[in-house]
Amino acid sequence: QSALTQPASVSGSPGQSITISCTGSSSDIGGYNYVSWYQQHPGKAPKLMIYDVSNRPSGVSNRFSGSKSGDTASLTISGLQAEDEADYFCSSYTSSSTRRVFGTGTKVTVL
Amino acid sequence: EVQLVESGGGLIQPGGSLRLSCAASGFTVSSNYMSWVRQAPGKGLEWVSVIYSGGDTYYADSVKGRFTVSRDNSKNTLYLQLNSLRAEDTAVYYCARERDRFFDYWGQGTLVTVSS
Repeated sequence: QSALTQPASVSGSPGQSITISCTGSSSDIGGYNYVSWYQQHPGKAPKLMIYDVSNRPSGVSNRFSGSKSGDTASLTISGLQAEDEADYFCSSYTSSSTRRVFGTGTKVTVL
Repeated sequence: EVQLVESGGGLIQPGGSLRLSCAASGFTVSSNYMSWVRQAPGKGLEWVSVIYSGGDTYYADSVKGRFTVSRDNSKNTLYLQLNSLRAEDTAVYYCARERDRFFDYWGQGTLVTVSS
């Protein structure tokens, strides 16, 4: 099972909106509504930001939203803030034997 | 409050063995799916292994036959036995609770360094 494909980096100015893509196949993203997104600050554990494509866990800012179209999922961060600077990873359920796959990761920089 | 605390990492020579522990509190390990996820230095996340509530276990191809996941219900603790370690196994190892195909709680991680 190959990793899902994410852009290596995305940047934006404070207050702007950015979108991170996560591309897979019909065996994972395209076949199931089980995409999740994780934020990871340097030296810290990943934190769940979005699950089941577009649901936010309690306590996660509504500036974070998720969507999916075909084999590609997206995470949008609106009203970008300095604290949003981190690495972001997508994940999906997959029909492969492992049932789980992560994306390659995207570094978000707030200019 | 849900907490996961990993331990057991360290410096180990190639071919050696190590056992990682993940002590859980605030929920019952045996009632949940529990995964190990690792992250090589400067790299992305890689799923390693899972143990289902019913006891079934699954592994990534990269560790199959070398790593073994288990749990001790009396201690509410998850384990990962790492054998025949290779340099490419060097990573921070996280334990994580799975809920309906996403990971809702993660430990702080424990670093395993395989080097001579």
